[in-house]
Amino acid sequence: DGGITQSPKYLFRKEGQNVTLSCEQNLNHDAMYWYRQDPGQGLRLIYYSQIVNDFQKGDIAEGYSVSREKKESFPLTVTSAQKNPTAFYLCASTLDREDQPQHFGDGTRLSIL
Amino acid sequence: LAKTTQPISMDSYEGQEVNITCSHNNIATNDYITWYQQFPSQGPRFIIQGYKTKVTNEVASLFIPADRKSSTLSLPRVSLSDTAVYYCLVDNAGNNRKLIWGLGTSLAVNP
Repeated sequence: DGGITQSPKYLFRKEGQNVTLSCEQNLNHDAMYWYRQDPGQGLRLIYYSQIVNDFQKGDIAEGYSVSREKKESFPLTVTSAQKNPTAFYLCASTLDREDQPQHFGDGTRLSIL
Repeated sequence: LAKTTQPISMDSYEGQEVNITCSHNNIATNDYITWYQQFPSQGPRFIIQGYKTKVTNEVASLFIPADRKSSTLSLPRVSLSDTAVYYCLVDNAGNNRKLIWGLGTSLAVNP
């Protein structure tokens, strides 16, 4: 059954630590995205990748890093430089065409201890 | 700067038709309009997508006027399970990807 999987569902971080959120898809999609969602807010784009070994910054990339070594995987690292990391993080993928909708995982909720 | 605006919240009753309008005055020629539904602690789910005129699927209709500066999601005969947040997205899917999300409309369906 094809889909997009995010892990873990919940993640806790101590201040000063980097943490990595996993996103894997088996939909053979070209493009993958990371969003941040805060309570009562919409989705804000952190990074996106349209092809392996290439990625672009979104609207709020500061304090985050990504890699795209495989088509199926697009991990997001929340670095210690991100001063307000507590949020709900969503990963999405799509065939990279304007008429193709995004498919989302069920998110990772990151909290600071 | 492109912007997508939608009402913050709406209330309805079971069995009614609900229409949620999204304003996107600066939509570009190649942009598509997509609507998503999101339940708490889940990722958004695709509802419907369109470019112009009217699109209908098994769960919703999408009305887009000729100037494409707005779009209306229509949910026929809503039920309690349609209580969710609905997002409008304007997407150009180009090399310099521009994804303009609305802030979401929280729909409450009452018995």
